[in-house]
Amino acid sequence: GQSLEQPSEVTAVEGAIVQINCTYQTSGFYGLSWYQQHDGGAPTFLSYNALDGLEETGRFSSFLSRSDSYGYLLLQELQMKDSASYFCAVRVNAGNNRKLIWGLGTSLAVNP
Amino acid sequence: GAGVSQSPSNKVTEKGKDVELRCDPISGHTALYWYRQSLGQGLEFLIYFQGNSAPDKSGLPSDRFSAERTGGSVSTLTIQRTQQEDSAVYLCASSPDQGVSYEQYFGPGTRLTVT
Repeated sequence: GQSLEQPSEVTAVEGAIVQINCTYQTSGFYGLSWYQQHDGGAPTFLSYNALDGLEETGRFSSFLSRSDSYGYLLLQELQMKDSASYFCAVRVNAGNNRKLIWGLGTSLAVNP
Repeated sequence: GAGVSQSPSNKVTEKGKDVELRCDPISGHTALYWYRQSLGQGLEFLIYFQGNSAPDKSGLPSDRFSAERTGGSVSTLTIQRTQQEDSAVYLCASSPDQGVSYEQYFGPGTRLTVT
């Protein structure tokens, strides 16, 4: 089967750094995506890693190690508005196409 | 341009009734996805359309669920003989093509409540 694991909840304070881990067991792996979802809102795309290493986009960075089946999302200089759920999703084969398999999400609470 | 739109935004129906949920993807996007999300849970994949290819229906939970996509654009998800466990937010997403399926654009969702 295919599965992803990420922590259910993380708490941090404004200005801090937080890392949200994601481990996966899938077949036909192509890459790892991260999405953010605020309460009552729709998921929005943050980043995608197809190759090993760190990708940086502003305050957010994402890391992938294909050999370890592991990735993480790093959020720096946390702000209150970063309080949201964060989902990792693995891009896998779907016949001749590709689709995403989603984790259950990590709820991040940023406190003053 | 406009984003992904879904209608209705909320739907309350009685157990046993049929419902239709509509999704208008971003113009020109060939890939369209339906997901279901229960309160506080992750996204459950339902069905995936890519261009003229046969849809990937592997996530549909039962034969009460079906979906179609007309003209490569608008999609309708139909749930027949609704059950209380069907209550959830139904999300639609699109991407330019399956080559960038890692970046999906989501609509606001339809909140379905079965009473």
